[in-house]
Amino acid sequence: KAGVTQTPRYLIKTRGQQVTLSCSPISGHRSVSWYQQTPGQGLQFLFEYFSETQRNKGNFPGRFSGRQFSNSRSEMNVSTLELGDSALYLCASSLDRDTGELFFGEGSRLTVL
Amino acid sequence: QKEVEQDPGPLSVPEGAIVSLNCTYSNSAFQYFMWYRQYSRKGPELLMYTYSSGNKEDGRFTAQVDKSSKYISLFIRDSQPSDSATYLCAMSASQANYGGSQGNLIFGKGTKLSVKP
Repeated sequence: KAGVTQTPRYLIKTRGQQVTLSCSPISGHRSVSWYQQTPGQGLQFLFEYFSETQRNKGNFPGRFSGRQFSNSRSEMNVSTLELGDSALYLCASSLDRDTGELFFGEGSRLTVL
Repeated sequence: QKEVEQDPGPLSVPEGAIVSLNCTYSNSAFQYFMWYRQYSRKGPELLMYTYSSGNKEDGRFTAQVDKSSKYISLFIRDSQPSDSATYLCAMSASQANYGGSQGNLIFGKGTKLSVKP
């Protein structure tokens, strides 16, 4: 069974640009969550989607947005990139919406210059 | 006070040692407790999952939850070099308490473990 797939794995952008990251969850999983991981802050929750609806959102500015498609695939977008947005962005999918057992992808490492 | 506190280490032990990793938390609403292992340049993978208090054992790994002390532990017996990774604790409240989803786990910052041959 294929795991969570994230693309691209690595990307470099400059300040002011925008970026779109993609996530394909494990087949049958309908919940997709996004996290930002940095050495200083650790793993921080961005948002979660379930059946194409955003169910919860973390404490990030409006430059961070996401969506989920009918096939459960999800994208997140960061506009007007800042240096501090450099991080590993992790997508996780879950079958059971109530227990938080998440299965993570390998992440998209974003570097903002 | 942060919701979840975890000593970042690094922790270095010889092969075969018993490893103890710990997290403390402040939110008494947390009921679901997890340990994730993250190898370098990889995403976290679920290692142990526990609901409420008690112990859970899986091979060389034992997870303990003490809700009265707001303290969780992960023990690794007979540690191996392949156990070298960052270990993150994570926890969440029930949907009823928070009116939301379980997707927003609160993570510790992780403890970096190195097991030397």
